[in-house]
Parts: sequence; structure tokens; C-alpha cells
Amino acid sequence: QKEVEQDPGPLSVPEGAIVSLNCTYSNSAFQYFMWYRQYSRKGPELLMYTYSSGNKEDGRFTAQVDKSSKYISLFIRDSQPSDSATYLCANAEWGKLQFGAGTQVVVTP
Amino acid sequence: EAGVAQSPRYKIIEKRQSVAFWCNPISGHATLYWYQQILGQGPKLLIQFQNNGVVDDSQLPKDRFSAERLKGVDSTLKIQPAKLEDSAVYLCASSSSKNIQYFGAGTRLSVL
Repeated sequence: QKEVEQDPGPLSVPEGAIVSLNCTYSNSAFQYFMWYRQYSRKGPELLMYTYSSGNKEDGRFTAQVDKSSKYISLFIRDSQPSDSATYLCANAEWGKLQFGAGTQVVVTP
Repeated sequence: EAGVAQSPRYKIIEKRQSVAFWCNPISGHATLYWYQQILGQGPKLLIQFQNNGVVDDSQLPKDRFSAERLKGVDSTLKIQPAKLEDSAVYLCASSSSKNIQYFGAGTRLSVL
């Protein structure tokens, strides 16, 4: 069983729609959770960083962590074509990141 | 603030040849990581340095991969000899605080 499971997509949505991305993880020791965005032929870029359970909002992006069900989510409101990218969830402990496989998101104008 | 610099951006070699990648981390970042990202997968950690010492190289195929970080700044990752399955993007990341890592653009390696 992989440490972090993520639906690879692709996920295609029309411009302005809400994008909903999810990951599950197996190691209950994880306390730190991240979402990275990776454009084609670029390195991953940190989007959101949360500690433990709860919600965190940053502009159009909301990250949710449910430690009881080992489930993390990212929501993108009012999606734009520039949001088209691969979104990677990651768990971190002691400086070590475990990544999901990434979900490709395509926002069509 | 300059980001993580990597070179070359692309490299094409034949199997059994050797190749080296270079990384310059963000200034002042003590921790440096090398990841391998195979197409359609998330990055997988190969090696982690703290200053110029190795913290974790448990996932590094040591029969063919080697890495060094001289003087605790720049780092090189070498593959010798390369295999077809080494075709991937090699990402370098650096960090000054636990769990927040900044990535370079990567080196895309194709082994023919």
C-alpha cells in the first residue's frame, strides 16, 4: 500500500467551476500536509501548508485535513485556465516528504 | 531571492553512459534534497543532505548513483552506468526549516 494515494485524473472543469482534489494517507503519524502545484516542465511549487487537522484558506484555495479519516483535500474556487497543472499532495514528518502521484487538472475557457 | 538552480535542463544519453546533474540551493538553506520523478508519479526522495553530511540515502541505488555536497552548498548527483529505467526528471530541493521545501525546475533525463 502506498503511503499517499491520489487519483491521477485528468480532471477537466470549465472556467469558473470549483476544483476538488483529494488524497488519502496511511501513516497516522503525519502532522504536516502540503499541496504542491506543478506546471508542465517545471518543478513543484508549494501552494498550501497545513499542520494537523482543520481548514486553511488562501485566496481562491482552501486546504482541509481530516486526520480521523486520513483524508486531505484542496478546493480551488473560481478556477482559471492558469490553474491547469498537476497538483501533488504531500505529507511531511521530520523534513521528509511523501508525495502522491499527482492529479492533472485542466481548466477549459 | 533567487530560487534553486539546476543544470542542465535536459540530457539525452545512451544506456551504460554516465551523467551528472548540478544543483545550487537557495542561499542559506542547510538542507538539500535530490528527488527522482518518473512520468506520471510523484517525486521520490533519493538523498537528503544536512550541510555537507548525508541524512538519508536509503532510497539511493548506490550501485550506480552517487551524490555529494561539497562545502555544504552546491551538490552533484551522478549516475554511472545509466539504465533505461533511469529516464526521469531529477529534482533538487532545498529547505531552511523543517518540511518546507523549495524545488528547482529539474533536469529531464532520457536514456536511450
